[in-house]
Amino acid sequence: RKEVEQDPGPFNVPEGATVAFNCTYSNSASQSFFWYRQDCRKEPKLLMSVYSSGNEDGRFTAQLNRASQYISLLIRDSKLSDSATYLCVVNFRRLDTGRRALTFGSGTRLQVQP
Amino acid sequence: DAGVIQSPRHEVTEMGQEVTLRCKPISGHDYLFWYRQTMMRGLELLIYFNNNVPIDDSGMPEDRFSAKMPNASFSTLKIQPSEPRDSAVYFCASRGDENSQYFGPGTRLTVL
Repeated sequence: RKEVEQDPGPFNVPEGATVAFNCTYSNSASQSFFWYRQDCRKEPKLLMSVYSSGNEDGRFTAQLNRASQYISLLIRDSKLSDSATYLCVVNFRRLDTGRRALTFGSGTRLQVQP
Repeated sequence: DAGVIQSPRHEVTEMGQEVTLRCKPISGHDYLFWYRQTMMRGLELLIYFNNNVPIDDSGMPEDRFSAKMPNASFSTLKIQPSEPRDSAVYFCASRGDENSQYFGPGTRLTVL
């Protein structure tokens, strides 16, 4: 089982739609959580951190459910410019090395259509 | 700030050749990470440094891969000898505080 799992998509949605992505993680000791965005042939960029109480940044809302070990990203009023791959990222202490490391999901591709 | 700088941006080489990828982290960041991204395996952490010291190299695939950080402003990732399965995009990232890991533009490596 992968440590961080995401639906690869693609999610094809019309402009103005609301879309949500989920991500599950396997390590219950995970300590911090992020969503990154990656445009085609570009580097990943931090979109937002995910806090236990949930947090919002404009049209983007992130939530964490520790009991069920998943995080979500909600995008309201989708724009064409939101088209990208969204990477779920979990920071936990690895059992084999004892070191903390960011583990990236494979990403969910979003295509917003006019 | 110029951000994380990587060179070269593209590298095409033949199997068996040595490849050296370079990275300049953001000034003041004390963590540096090397990642590899492929369609099949996604983004994988290869190695990371803290204050120029390698902390975790468990992601380095084989002895053919080596990384160094001789000073706070420069790191290299070397593959010797290179193989076609090493073809991927290699990202360098640096981090200051907990939440701000910044990636470079990546080096797209093709090994023929």
